[in-house]
Amino acid sequence: QVQLQESGPGLVKPSETLSLTCTVSGGSISSYYWSWIRQPAGKGLEWIGRIYTSGSTNYNPSLKSRVTMSVDTSKNQFSLKLSSVTAADTAVYYCARAIVMDVWGQGTTVTVSS
Amino acid sequence: DIQMTQSPSAMSASVGDRVTITCRASQGISNYLAWFQQKPGKVPKRLIYAASSLQSGVPSRFSGSGSGTEFTLTISSLQPEDFATYYCLQHNSYPVTFGPGTKVDIK
Repeated sequence: QVQLQESGPGLVKPSETLSLTCTVSGGSISSYYWSWIRQPAGKGLEWIGRIYTSGSTNYNPSLKSRVTMSVDTSKNQFSLKLSSVTAADTAVYYCARAIVMDVWGQGTTVTVSS
Repeated sequence: DIQMTQSPSAMSASVGDRVTITCRASQGISNYLAWFQQKPGKVPKRLIYAASSLQSGVPSRFSGSGSGTEFTLTISSLQPEDFATYYCLQHNSYPVTFGPGTKVDIK
């Protein structure tokens, strides 16, 4: 059974870059799309973007100028970088499988604060 | 972008009630719609995909219907564990967008 686990710093300073990794276990990362989603406390879900194992990406236009996603198939991992963060980027960040999000990671809370 | 709306935004219901949540898309999305359940502090869980297909392991009291721009999630007989927030998701076109959520709580 495929499991996903997000990892990365829980605290990021304003104007810096948020970096998260999602590790896929129990199955291969290959031949799937992989998504990132975030959720500010008490608010709804926002799709950040997705990456295919070839490296092809689609980003939410609202974040596109600041987002970079990458994949490392040798490690069964994919990653998210969000640059120039502000307090508005404070949220729980989730990784999920495919655009239809049938499998989710547990989520990781990222706080943007000095 | 395709805008997703949900109604109601919140509702109170009793155990055993039939509950219907509506999701509307600002333009046609065929059946590229999924429904998720999220309990406080928990990870969203997919209930329905392709508008009406039940995710494996999800109780049959959950059902989805619709196509185009209007979709419904129905819980035939609400159980205590069903009190949660429900989100729809369209993935017909980018950016993928979620509805704002419908919170179902205990009457």
